Amino acid sequence: GNSVTQMEGPVTLSEEAFLTINCTYTATGYPSLFWYVQYPGEGLQLLLKATKADDKGSNKGFEATYRKETTSFHLEKGSVQVSDSAVYFCALSTGQSSGSARQLTFGSGTQLTVLP
Amino acid sequence: DADVTQTPRNRITKTGKRIMLECSQTKGHDRMYWYRQDPGLGLRLIYYSFDVKDINKGEISDGYSVSRQAQAKFSLSLESAIPNQTALYFCATRTSAGTGNTEAFFGQGTRLTVV
Repeated sequence: GNSVTQMEGPVTLSEEAFLTINCTYTATGYPSLFWYVQYPGEGLQLLLKATKADDKGSNKGFEATYRKETTSFHLEKGSVQVSDSAVYFCALSTGQSSGSARQLTFGSGTQLTVLP
Repeated sequence: DADVTQTPRNRITKTGKRIMLECSQTKGHDRMYWYRQDPGLGLRLIYYSFDVKDINKGEISDGYSVSRQAQAKFSLSLESAIPNQTALYFCATRTSAGTGNTEAFFGQGTRLTVV
């Protein structure tokens, strides 16, 4: 079956520090990969996605590259801000015809706190 | 107005009580989902529905039931609430179009406490 493994948190950084949150996956077929962000008191919202190998998703200064050879989709940002404090979820979905395979499979989430 | 609306936002209930969480969406999506979020466990799928007549169990469906009253409405019920069902519950929608690369849209969540 499909699974997503994220680095455990919490992660605490100072403002302007470099961020990496690791994500690896196992999947049948060729998954699409996603990063979702959950700000305090809110639901999840899509941050970025990549749908095929070597694609790079980017948004709001965050980037992640779909690495098929290492089955990874690590999230990076060069200079974090206090407003980036949130929980980040890695997720995958495959395009197989089976209904269960079309679901989103989430990692356990990584809490990021950025200090001023 | 939010695209995916969950009611109530917060609820405290007693053990053994029946409770219903409601979700409605204006996205026009055919697929709807109920997830449960617990610290350190991420989101776990409770039930999902691909249309009004197609409802499926997720990985943790025991103790829960659902009803898809219309394409836009998907309710989650706890028939007899127990304390370990205390969690944050999310409804999500997604279109079936495409090949699995479409994003899901989430409600703001319902924080349920069973005492």
